[in-house]
Amino acid sequence: QKEVEQDPGPLSVPEGAIVSLNCTYSNSAFQYFMWYRQYSRKGPELLMYTYSSGNKEDGRFTAQVDKSSKYISLFIRDSQPSDSATYLCAMTPYENFNKFYFGSGTKLNVKP
Amino acid sequence: GAVVSQHPSRVICKSGTSVKIECRSLDFQATTMFWYRQFPKQSLMLMATSNEGSKATYEQGVEKDKFLINHASLTLSTLTVTSAHPEDSSFYICSARDYEDGGNEQYFGPGTRLTVT
Repeated sequence: QKEVEQDPGPLSVPEGAIVSLNCTYSNSAFQYFMWYRQYSRKGPELLMYTYSSGNKEDGRFTAQVDKSSKYISLFIRDSQPSDSATYLCAMTPYENFNKFYFGSGTKLNVKP
Repeated sequence: GAVVSQHPSRVICKSGTSVKIECRSLDFQATTMFWYRQFPKQSLMLMATSNEGSKATYEQGVEKDKFLINHASLTLSTLTVTSAHPEDSSFYICSARDYEDGGNEQYFGPGTRLTVT
């Protein structure tokens, strides 16, 4: 079993839709959670990061962490075609912040 | 924001030759840089953690003699793929952490696509 599970998609939505991207994890030591966006043939770009359970909002993006369920989500409101990319979740354990555990990535396609 | 650059963005080399990839933090000092490898439609695989002024720490299964890492300054780390073979063809991505901002996030470079013929 992978330590971080993420549905690879692809997820196809119409422009303007609310998108929900999710990851589950098995290691309760994970304490720091991030979401990255990766366009084709480019490096990942940091979107959101959070330490604690609950919601964190930044513009059209909301990151949600539920440590009791070992479940994290990224919501994108008013999705745009430019949001079409692969979204990677990543997390690190408290005892080693250098060790990043990545999900496999969810490919999102926002249709105009 | 923190910017990481990589050079070259794309390289094609012949089997048996060596290739050097540079990773630079442009607007911050990075005591720790990371090297990843990514296969098509797969997630990132950490190869090694590079600390300025010391030897890199390699992940299990990564050949340190094949993937030479040098972190000579606080803004530059290099990855040299020695005696490259076609199976080394991949997308190599570096990242760096900006400790001064107090966070643990990694900022990624744009990646280098290596093709070995």
